[in-house]
Amino acid sequence: GQNIDQPTEMTATEGAIVQINCTYQTSGFNGLFWYQQHAGEAPTFLSYNVLDGLEEKGRFSSFLSRSKGYSYLLLKELQMKDSASYLCAVMDSNYQLIWGAGTKLIIKP
Amino acid sequence: TAGITQAPTSQILAAGRSMTLRCTQDMRHNAMYWYRQDLGLGLRLIHYSNTAGTTGKGEVPDGYSVSRANTDDFPLTLASAVPSQTSVYFCASSTDGPDTQYFGPGTRLTVL
Repeated sequence: GQNIDQPTEMTATEGAIVQINCTYQTSGFNGLFWYQQHAGEAPTFLSYNVLDGLEEKGRFSSFLSRSKGYSYLLLKELQMKDSASYLCAVMDSNYQLIWGAGTKLIIKP
Repeated sequence: TAGITQAPTSQILAAGRSMTLRCTQDMRHNAMYWYRQDLGLGLRLIHYSNTAGTTGKGEVPDGYSVSRANTDDFPLTLASAVPSQTSVYFCASSTDGPDTQYFGPGTRLTVL
């Protein structure tokens, strides 16, 4: 079966760095997406990785290792507004997105 | 630009009743999707449409139907609602199937 695993909840301090991990087992791979979802709102696109390595976009970076079925989202200089759920999703061989349950990130002052 | 709109924002529905959730996008995206999101679970695909005039079944299609008469609109119909269909429903669209998906604001549906 297809499976996306990510931690349920993480806590970090304002100004710090946090790494949210995602491991996956899917039928085929056509890229990995990270989305941010604030409570009561829609998911919004953060990043896309299809090749191994690190993609940096401002305070957010995303890493992919296809051989290990592993990705992480790195958030630097954490701000209170970064408190949200972070969703990992893999596009499978049928170009359908398979979603993890999301990681709720709590930022403390 | 409106992007993707959904209606209604929320609804309470009696079991056995029918309902259509509306979704409209103004980005001229070819592909559209319906997901449901339940606590502790990832988003699950209900139905999708790769282009106007075509639809396909996702992971959890039972009890739901869709149509895609034109590029902009992708309504989701519950023919006879059951309490297990209580969920938050998100519509999404992408330029084409393999591209980034963009989400509407969601409809919170409670079936009693």
